[in-house]
Amino acid sequence: DAGVIQSPRHEVTEMGQEVTLRCKPISGHNSLFWYRQTMMRGLELLIYFNNNVPIDDSGMPEDRFSAKMPNASFSTLKIQPSEPRDSAVYFCASSRSSGVAYEQYFGPGTRLTVT
Amino acid sequence: AQSVTQPDIHITVSEGASLELRCNYSYGATPYLFWYVQSPGQGLQLLLKYFSGDTLVQGIKGFEAEFKRSQSSFNLRKPSVHWSDAAEYFCAVEDRGSTLGRLYFGRGTQLTVWP
Repeated sequence: DAGVIQSPRHEVTEMGQEVTLRCKPISGHNSLFWYRQTMMRGLELLIYFNNNVPIDDSGMPEDRFSAKMPNASFSTLKIQPSEPRDSAVYFCASSRSSGVAYEQYFGPGTRLTVT
Repeated sequence: AQSVTQPDIHITVSEGASLELRCNYSYGATPYLFWYVQSPGQGLQLLLKYFSGDTLVQGIKGFEAEFKRSQSSFNLRKPSVHWSDAAEYFCAVEDRGSTLGRLYFGRGTQLTVWP
């Protein structure tokens, strides 16, 4: 299996621009997680989906952030408008949750720089 | 609510020395327990996990962890550290009753290895 795929790997944009991060989970996995990692705040869970349905978005910092999962093989995290404080590494992870506690598999991350 | 504490933010050891990284959790019952490693510029990779049974679990790269119910701990150990073990290590727990796959992560311990 190819693992969790994220694109782009690096994104540099100017403040005020829209940014879209993409994630393809591992086939057969039914839970998908978006995280943000910064030096100051560490690893933060932004939102997660189960069977394509958003379960908990309480970690989304503000309305500028939105996430979608239109099907089992694709998810997006959008920031509009972007701000310099959004600069971070964004990880997508997926798992085959079924009550037996399978681990999460992480993608390589997208390093976002907002200037 | 579940919480995970990694009391050591940064640990430095000499190559060849033994290593123990601490992890304590707060949870009403025994959760599922995980250790992940993150090398610079990469996503998180699972080292090992505990579901049930033998409280000493073996993982990849020569790591092991011991679950101690009485201490609510799941400490990670390695008898002899290699320079390539320099990375950040995360402890995580999952609600045993959950079918959603959400993990609660500690803040991480950064490991530096001296040659």
